[in-house]
Amino acid sequence: AQSVAQPEDQVNVAEGNPLTVKCTYSVSGNPYLFWYVQYPNRGLQFLLKYITGDNLVKGSYGFEAEFNKSQTSLHLKKPSALVSDSALYFCAVTFSYNQGGKLIFGQGTELSVKP
Amino acid sequence: DAGVIQSPRHEVTEMGQEVTLRCKPISGHDYLFWYRQTMMRGLELLIYFNNNVPIDDSGMPEDRFSAKMPNASFSTLKIQPSEPRDSAVYFCASSFGLAGGHQETQYFGPGTRLLVL
Repeated sequence: AQSVAQPEDQVNVAEGNPLTVKCTYSVSGNPYLFWYVQYPNRGLQFLLKYITGDNLVKGSYGFEAEFNKSQTSLHLKKPSALVSDSALYFCAVTFSYNQGGKLIFGQGTELSVKP
Repeated sequence: DAGVIQSPRHEVTEMGQEVTLRCKPISGHDYLFWYRQTMMRGLELLIYFNNNVPIDDSGMPEDRFSAKMPNASFSTLKIQPSEPRDSAVYFCASSFGLAGGHQETQYFGPGTRLLVL
């Protein structure tokens, strides 16, 4: 079955340190991969997407993501975390064929950046 | 563009009452999605439309839930009768469709926070 997994419910990072939020997927074919961020009491905001091409994708707010086809992963990264990056992060995948392109979301990872 | 617009932003109602949530997608987008978010179940896709036609409603919890999209700029999600377990944040999102069945990025509204007492 098509699925998306975010193996960590929570990630804690000190401000200024690099951060990684993990995402893996299970699918046959070529999915489109997305990262979204949700700040408290807000809707989801688009961060970046991977379709094809370079394995490193640049996104908003200084975030980037590293795609690894053999590990079927798209990990979200940032070289230097900010306290304001603290939020809930969702990985999502869309599959083109039998699911009509709808997004499948991971369960979310709570990122906490401490000063 | 104003983005996806949802109303109301907050709704408090009593069990048994009818609740109607509204969504205006981004102009030109041909896909519209309704999601529900709770602590227990996370983010769930309820239903989505393409060109105003419902494509997949397999996520709709039960017959108490219904959704319509009478035109390209408006959709409603109705709960009748409402129950306390329906308390959640309901999001609407919209996107462009692409060739091959994929979609462009989905853009989310701010959500409606529903509390059923």
